[in-house]
Amino acid sequence: KQEVTQIPAALSVPEGENLVLNCSFTDSAIYNLQWFRQDPGKGLTSLLLIQSSQREQTSGRLNASLDKSSGRSTLYIAASQPGDSATYLCAVPNSGNTPLVFGKGTRLSVIA
Amino acid sequence: GAVVSQHPSRVICKSGTSVKIECRSLDFQATTMFWYRQFPKQSLMLMATSNEGSKATYEQGVEKDKFLINHASLTLSTLTVTSAHPEDSSFYICSATGQGYNYGYTFGSGTRLTVV
Repeated sequence: KQEVTQIPAALSVPEGENLVLNCSFTDSAIYNLQWFRQDPGKGLTSLLLIQSSQREQTSGRLNASLDKSSGRSTLYIAASQPGDSATYLCAVPNSGNTPLVFGKGTRLSVIA
Repeated sequence: GAVVSQHPSRVICKSGTSVKIECRSLDFQATTMFWYRQFPKQSLMLMATSNEGSKATYEQGVEKDKFLINHASLTLSTLTVTSAHPEDSSFYICSATGQGYNYGYTFGSGTRLTVV
């Protein structure tokens, strides 16, 4: 059974810092890996999708890497801003249309 | 980009009534949709998976007669909470993906249900 773990559970940083969020998964036979953010009382916003054949994806200040063999992914946020404050979730499906398995998330606070 | 529209965003209903929540994929064919509920400060809990044209598959502990899911088209799934009670008050979120779909999974903006 796939399990996804995210470390740290919470993180507080001053504005402008670069930071790394970690995600690990137990079964390396993943279809893809997706990073989301969730603001309080809102739905999930997809940040980055990495296909199983890819090593990384970038979007603006965000960069996500994937190492399937070690069961790890990282989300790098450059030059953090208060607007980045949210809960960040890592999720994997075992195939193309099965339910996502989520980590418990990292709650990020960026202090101005 | 892919968009999933979920309505209503908030609903208040009286105990014993039914509430319908709609989830629409606006620019792709959603062959599979998922429904989640989320309690404050907790993780998403998968309620059911629905494939277009088929009966939904419910997770253990989710009452299928209480939470009716319909996925009759490739762009629309509905969740009906029947005979709602205060304990059904929660945040409900839908998600959709498509066959050969390169955007991964897209989530709706959620529905805050309050049963009074």
